[in-house]
Amino acid sequence: KQEVTQIPAALSVPEGENLVLNCSFTDSAIYNLQWFRQDPGKGLTSLLLIQSSQREQTSGRLNASLDKSSGRSTLYIAASQPGDSATYLCAVKKAPGNQFYFGTGTSLTVIP
Amino acid sequence: DGGITQSPKYLFRKEGQNVTLSCEQNLNHDAMYWYRQDPGQGLRLIYYSQIVNDFQKGDIAEGYSVSREKKESFPLTVTSAQKNPTAFYLCASEHLVSGTGLWGNQPQHFGDGTRLSIL
Repeated sequence: KQEVTQIPAALSVPEGENLVLNCSFTDSAIYNLQWFRQDPGKGLTSLLLIQSSQREQTSGRLNASLDKSSGRSTLYIAASQPGDSATYLCAVKKAPGNQFYFGTGTSLTVIP
Repeated sequence: DGGITQSPKYLFRKEGQNVTLSCEQNLNHDAMYWYRQDPGQGLRLIYYSQIVNDFQKGDIAEGYSVSREKKESFPLTVTSAQKNPTAFYLCASEHLVSGTGLWGNQPQHFGDGTRLSIL
């Protein structure tokens, strides 16, 4: 069974800092990987989706990379802002229409 | 605006009672999913459906039931057999077929969740 781990569990940084969130998975036979953001008491918002054939995806200040062979993905956030404070979740999928396996998330606090 | 609507936002269940959580999407998505979220744990899949009138069990299906009579609707019933139902329940949907050939590589969209508690 796929196991997804996110490190660190919590992170607190001053505003303006660049930061990296890590995600690792045990089974490298994935179809895609998706990064989500979750605000307290809310659902998940999709940030970036990386197909298994891709190495990275970018959206604004966010950049996600994927190294399938080593079972790792990173989410890079540039010039962090207080509005980035949330829990960030990564999830991997084995096949189309199948479930995502989720990590437990990294809780990010950006201090003004 | 297109999206996923979950209702109610908060739900309370009495002992021995079945309750149903609603999930409706107007995104014309093929696949729909129910996840359960508990503090300190990742989301865990309860049931999913790729097509109308068909669904599959996820990792924690015991004590739950679903139906998929319409493409846009995927209600979840928490039965009295589920002894620890207190959790945050999230519904998601996903487009499986794309004209660009991105089969299964569309982002998964989520509703705002239903928080279920025991009375």
